[in-house]
Amino acid sequence: KQEVTQIPAALSVPEGENLVLNCSFTDSAIYNLQWFRQDPGKGLTSLLLIQSSQREQTSGRLNASLDKSSGRSTLYIAASQPGDSATYLCAVNGGGGSQGNLIFGKGTKLSVKP
Amino acid sequence: SAVISQKPSRDICQRGTSLTIQCQVDSQVTMMFWYRQQPGQSLTLIATANQGSEATYESGFVIDKFPISRPNLTFSTLTVSNMSPEDSSIYLCSVESPWYEQYFGPGTRLTVT
Repeated sequence: KQEVTQIPAALSVPEGENLVLNCSFTDSAIYNLQWFRQDPGKGLTSLLLIQSSQREQTSGRLNASLDKSSGRSTLYIAASQPGDSATYLCAVNGGGGSQGNLIFGKGTKLSVKP
Repeated sequence: SAVISQKPSRDICQRGTSLTIQCQVDSQVTMMFWYRQQPGQSLTLIATANQGSEATYESGFVIDKFPISRPNLTFSTLTVSNMSPEDSSIYLCSVESPWYEQYFGPGTRLTVT
């Protein structure tokens, strides 16, 4: 059974700092990995999708990497801003017999202080 | 990316009643998904809904409790039946693009009293 772990559970940084969020998964037989952002009481916004054949994806100040063999992904946020404050969720598609359905980590709650 | 809307956005319901949540997509999609997010927890898949066939439920979720309809390629409903306070959650629908990226609706926040 696929399991996804995110570390740390919470992170507080001053504005302008670069930061890294970590995601690990137990079964490397995945189709892809997605990073999402969730604001309090809201739905999910897709940030980046990395296909299993890719090593990284970039969008603006965000860069996500994928090391499928070791079961790890990182989300790098450059020059953080207070508007980046949210919960960041990592989800894998496939692995552990999940047949293409997303398995989510519990998220990292990010707070960026002005 | 797909634009997804859900109705209602939130509701407060009494124990023992049922609520039907609607999910509308702005384009035709093959697969739609329903997730539950309990307070303080991450998302858990309830079921996958394909148009023209019965929904496929994940372990721990049953059709009698969470009946799903999928009448066409842009619409689905999830009913939460015979509600109890443990059903208080955010319910989200999502769709999958041809390149297997998932997009989520804004969610329905349900409180059962």
